[in-house]
Amino acid sequence: EVQLVESGGGVVQPGGSLRLSCAASGFAFDDYAMHWVRQAPGMGLEWVSLISGDGSTTYYADSVKGRFTISRDNSKNSLHLQMNSLRSEDTAFYFCAQDVAGGWFDSWGQGTLVTVSS
Amino acid sequence: SYVLTQPPSVSVAPGQTARITCGGDNIGSKSVHWYQQKPGQAPVVVVYEDSDRPLGIPERFSGSNSGNTATLTISRVEAGDEADYYCQVWDSSSDHVVFGGGTKLTVL
Repeated sequence: EVQLVESGGGVVQPGGSLRLSCAASGFAFDDYAMHWVRQAPGMGLEWVSLISGDGSTTYYADSVKGRFTISRDNSKNSLHLQMNSLRSEDTAFYFCAQDVAGGWFDSWGQGTLVTVSS
Repeated sequence: SYVLTQPPSVSVAPGQTARITCGGDNIGSKSVHWYQQKPGQAPVVVVYEDSDRPLGIPERFSGSNSGNTATLTISRVEAGDEADYYCQVWDSSSDHVVFGGGTKLTVL
């Protein structure tokens, strides 16, 4: 059974940094691209970033490009999101999701809440 | 950037058919995926690649995609289908994933 468990969320001041992690199990982690998707409270889904299975290719939403960095450690089956220069509009639940060839998300974590507030 | 447009809300009586649309420029040329999200839960895919269903999703859920509109159809709607529904595509011109704004399905 595929399991994705996010961690690292919390409260941070504007301009601060936070590193999210996603622990994966139940599948051959390095065979799959992985994504971060976020959802502000009461709002819709917003894609954040994508990393290829071998980590060589990354893409970012325009809203986070230059501030967020996605990475993965295939030896530890883990996915990360380094978030710098955080803004109030980055407040959201952050989900990691497994990409299925074809560009859709087969499995999601339960999310971790990031709150940017002074 | 590519934009997907969904109606904010759709209401339907139990046993009737709900149709949720997703509009986009020539969306028929893309693969469209649909997710169901209930309060406090992560999204779950209900239709992928326009019209395929994952294992465990009832046959009542179906999808179509042509021209500028993709449609998620839920037949014989049940109270348990009440949720937010999102369409999603991969936009190859920008290398971005794009979600629609979401549609709240209310079962009357």
